[in-house]
Amino acid sequence: KQEVTQIPAALSVPEGENLVLNCSFTDSAIYNLQWFRQDPGKGLTSLLLIQSSQREQTSGRLNASLDKSSGRSTLYIAASQPGDSATYLCAVSGNQFYFGTGTSLTVIP
Amino acid sequence: GAVVSQHPSWVICKSGTSVKIECRSLDFQATTMFWYRQFPKQSLMLMATSNEGSKATYEQGVEKDKFLINHASLTLSTLTVTSAHPEDSSFYICSAQGQGSTNEKLFFGSGTQLSVL
Repeated sequence: KQEVTQIPAALSVPEGENLVLNCSFTDSAIYNLQWFRQDPGKGLTSLLLIQSSQREQTSGRLNASLDKSSGRSTLYIAASQPGDSATYLCAVSGNQFYFGTGTSLTVIP
Repeated sequence: GAVVSQHPSWVICKSGTSVKIECRSLDFQATTMFWYRQFPKQSLMLMATSNEGSKATYEQGVEKDKFLINHASLTLSTLTVTSAHPEDSSFYICSAQGQGSTNEKLFFGSGTQLSVL
């Protein structure tokens, strides 16, 4: 069964710093990988989708990479802002979607 | 982008009553919809997968008679929590996937906070 792990579980950085969130998965037979953010008590917002044939995707200050062979993905956030504070989840798609445990990010003004 | 509408946003009910949550895809046809629940400070947990016109597939440990899922059309799926109890209090989120392969993006509803008294 696919297992998805995110490290670190929580991260606190000062505003303006660049940061990296990590996601690892055990079964490399995936269709795609998605990164989401979740604000407290709200639904998920999709940030980036990487197809299994792709290596990375970029959207604004966000860059996500995918290395299927090693079962890893990273989400890079440049020049972090307080509004980036949220929980970030990665999910891999195989026969179903498997979610990671999430990283709670706090950006300190 | 695609929009998934989920209603209600929050609901408070008495123990023993049933609660229905709706999930609608507003501008695309969703052949597959997923239902999740999330307890505080925990990750999302998939409850069931529903395909339009067929019975839902439930994850292990999820009672299908308690969490009734109906996906009667390509734009609407409902989750009914029957005879709700306080331990059913949770945040429920639906997501929808468009027609085509599993390479399609998932779009999420805004979630429903259920509190059972």
